[in-house]
Amino acid sequence: DAGITQSPRHKVTETGTPVTLRCHQTENHRYMYWYRQDPGHGLRLIHYSYGVKDTDKGEVSDGYSVSRSKTEDFLLTLESATSSQTSVYFCAISTTGLPYNEQFFGPGTRLTVL
Amino acid sequence: EDKVVQSPLSLVVHEGDTVTLNCSYEVTNFRSLLWYKQEKKAPTFLFMLTSSGIEKKSGRLSSILDKKELFSILNITATQTGDSAIYLCAVAHVQMKTSYDKVIFGPGTSLSVIP
Repeated sequence: DAGITQSPRHKVTETGTPVTLRCHQTENHRYMYWYRQDPGHGLRLIHYSYGVKDTDKGEVSDGYSVSRSKTEDFLLTLESATSSQTSVYFCAISTTGLPYNEQFFGPGTRLTVL
Repeated sequence: EDKVVQSPLSLVVHEGDTVTLNCSYEVTNFRSLLWYKQEKKAPTFLFMLTSSGIEKKSGRLSSILDKKELFSILNITATQTGDSAIYLCAVAHVQMKTSYDKVIFGPGTSLSVIP
């Protein structure tokens, strides 16, 4: 499972509240990613990181921010949650050190925004 | 606009059947095509393809890439109920302005194998 955990695994929150999701890896892989998965859309990249304090936006980054202060942790924050952010969020890592090779995914976080 | 299209979007077959899943793409600066299997949890990696005409195999699953026609197929022979899953196709392509090779996922094909 490449040692990836996500927390929390499930969360229900209200519109307008901030939410932080955590991705933790036990191996020192450089590349980490946050995706959201919605029916009919596949996986869409929110943000990614290519090292400590090095992050960049993906294709659906509006309303999200990230931080990576340690190699092992990549945090995703919904600054003010909206119902459109109800989704399943997956964290992923690249184990080979190259960004385009296979990615290994965490177990996912199911977020519901009421 | 870069895109990845999969077909069919859903498929129901009987155990023992052979299925072919399709993935076509339109991206600039293609790097690789990846297949994943997703059951009721996180996607798991199946294959990465970078060269045309070279088949990748793993047990009953195989995949091939055609870079001229911009598509890939995933074959599953002698299907089993355990093959029931969503199969995701993803394409990595070079982003010239950043250090990241962007990966675009298709919507997936939902395969159901019935006894």
